[in-house]
Amino acid sequence: GAGVSQTPSNKVTEKGKYVELRCDPISGHTALYWYRQSLGQGPEFLIYFQGTGAADDSGLPNDRFFAVRPEGSVSTLKIQRTERGDSAVYLCASSSGTGQWTGELFFGEGSRLTVL
Amino acid sequence: EDKVVQSPLSLVVHEGDTVTLNCSYEVTNFRSLLWYKQEKKAPTFLFMLTSSGIEKKSGRLSSILDKKELFSILNITATQTGDSAIYLCAVATINDYKLSFGAGTTVTVRA
Repeated sequence: GAGVSQTPSNKVTEKGKYVELRCDPISGHTALYWYRQSLGQGPEFLIYFQGTGAADDSGLPNDRFFAVRPEGSVSTLKIQRTERGDSAVYLCASSSGTGQWTGELFFGEGSRLTVL
Repeated sequence: EDKVVQSPLSLVVHEGDTVTLNCSYEVTNFRSLLWYKQEKKAPTFLFMLTSSGIEKKSGRLSSILDKKELFSILNITATQTGDSAIYLCAVATINDYKLSFGAGTTVTVRA
């Protein structure tokens, strides 16, 4: 697609439930990032993929969070046993991942997660 | 831990005014400082600054980095209502591709 696509745009769930958030990056981009943005804060890094592998998952807050990118394109962020504190906008971004790093990440519109 | 602090948190100006946004940082193995604009949901890239004292310019926006004093400023001249947004500053470190963002400055431009 032309840009980074994220689904769903909004997700409301109950505490304790499992959720999956999907990211479809720009075609040909090998680098993919997940960030989380709480109200009034800047995006907070969660995980970075280069191709199929998680090159850096140091931002995942705990073992309830997991992300995959099995074919090096679409990625899914999975959250188990959701808690109210997980409520935030989850942003996905991609970049070409090759050549000189320009710092330019292309962000999707985000998935707003609300845990009741 | 990397630290990025932006000021002010918010400001309101009138069309035609000039605004100056500040970003200070503390980071080990600094690589670059970046500015993004977030109008509604998706942040969009404005500038990447790597060297001190070299101004980056795009239309009415310009930015400069001071690596000695560890800060950057973003200037917007002749503001328009379309400049209303959250402006995010981020830093990247060497051998690392993740960005550490500040909390942002919310700019509101009134007609």
